[in-house]
Amino acid sequence: NAGVMQNPRHLVRRRGQEARLRCSPMKGHSHVYWYRQLPEEGLKFMVYLQKENIIDESGMPKERFSAEFPKEGPSILRIQQVVRGDSAAYFCASSTKQLAGGPYEQYFGPGTRLTVT
Amino acid sequence: DAKTTQPTSMDCAEGRAANLPCNHSTISGNEYVYWYRQIHSQGPQYIIHGLKNNETNEMASLIITEDRKSSTLILPHATLRDTAVYYCIVRVGTGGFKTIFGAGTRLFVKA
Repeated sequence: NAGVMQNPRHLVRRRGQEARLRCSPMKGHSHVYWYRQLPEEGLKFMVYLQKENIIDESGMPKERFSAEFPKEGPSILRIQQVVRGDSAAYFCASSTKQLAGGPYEQYFGPGTRLTVT
Repeated sequence: DAKTTQPTSMDCAEGRAANLPCNHSTISGNEYVYWYRQIHSQGPQYIIHGLKNNETNEMASLIITEDRKSSTLILPHATLRDTAVYYCIVRVGTGGFKTIFGAGTRLFVKA
């Protein structure tokens, strides 16, 4: 059973370009979460999506960042007009649909390391 | 902000048990305790979770105090590959809520 897949693993962009990060959840998982980890810092929540719906985007920067999880295909985190401060590791996690009151695990992908030059 | 407090770092000798403490004094009745770890720059790895009772799986044991205000993750026979940052997290069971990661404990397993 393949785990969470992310691609590309490494991405280099010049300032002002667009970055597209992809995440394929584990088979059977319908919930996707994106986190960002700046160098030498902890993971920060960005956004939580279900198929075709954004459930919680409280951690997303107000501008330049967007995320989607279409009915078919992977979840996409899109960063427009990248700046040096966007350089970080971006992790995607997925989980199953939670039963009422029950626990759930989030399984993380290997991450995409974005470098903005 | 994270709802947990963990020591910044710990050392453990290879082959010995590693006991990682976590304080979560403001935990609510419907919140679970989860442990994840991050080895070097890899994605976080789920280890174990619990609500009230102690739990054990193939990776670790989780001991939760009766008042649920603290817990301990136990790696029974630590190996060099267990060197990682260990995160203790409290989270409600439902709703797909975001996971709030604190700074975690940096565990160094030494030969």
